[in-house]
Amino acid sequence: QPQLVESGGGLVEPGGSLRLSCAASGFTFGDYYMTWIRQAPGKGLEWVSSITTRGGAVGYADSVKGRFTISRDSVKNSVFLQLTSLRAEDTAIYYCARDSLYYYSSGNTGYYYYYMDVWGKGTTVIVSS
Amino acid sequence: DIQMTQSPSSLSASVGDRVTITCRASQRISTYLNWYQQKPGKAPNLLIYAASASQRGVPSRFSGSGYETLFTLTISSLQPEDFATYYCQQTYSAPFTFGQGTNLDI
Repeated sequence: QPQLVESGGGLVEPGGSLRLSCAASGFTFGDYYMTWIRQAPGKGLEWVSSITTRGGAVGYADSVKGRFTISRDSVKNSVFLQLTSLRAEDTAIYYCARDSLYYYSSGNTGYYYYYMDVWGKGTTVIVSS
Repeated sequence: DIQMTQSPSSLSASVGDRVTITCRASQRISTYLNWYQQKPGKAPNLLIYAASASQRGVPSRFSGSGYETLFTLTISSLQPEDFATYYCQQTYSAPFTFGQGTNLDI
């Protein structure tokens, strides 16, 4: 059974740093892109960052670019999110998710569809003085 | 960035009702659209990917359709466990934006 378990959240002062971890089990970690999603209290979902299978490509939301860094470790079967220069608006539950791929071809054209099919329970980050 | 707008933002319905939630994209996204369900205090759960493909294990009463800028999620006959918040998300281009959510309650 595929499973993701996040850790590392907590209370931090504005300007501070945290490192979130997401431990994967029950599937071949190296075969999947991984993504971090966050949800501020009472708000909707926000895509934060994604990383490809070997970490060769990453992407970030504009709201965190330059402050957050995503990485992965194939030995530890884990993905990480380093949070720096934290702001009050970064207060949220941070979810880790597995990106699965659906490939569809039509004629000579192939289409790659990604979707988040396994989620962790989340870890809470509170930025407050 | 691609903006995703869901309507309605909230919806009251009864068990057995047929419900449709709409998601509009600010630009064409082909069928790069996923739907998620989230219950209070829980992580989101994938329902539909590629606009109309049902995730394994999702009840057949959930269906998705649409193309380019207009998409719908339909629940054919509401069950008590379906009262939740629903989100669409585009995966056409980063940032992979979500709609604001549709809160479905009794």
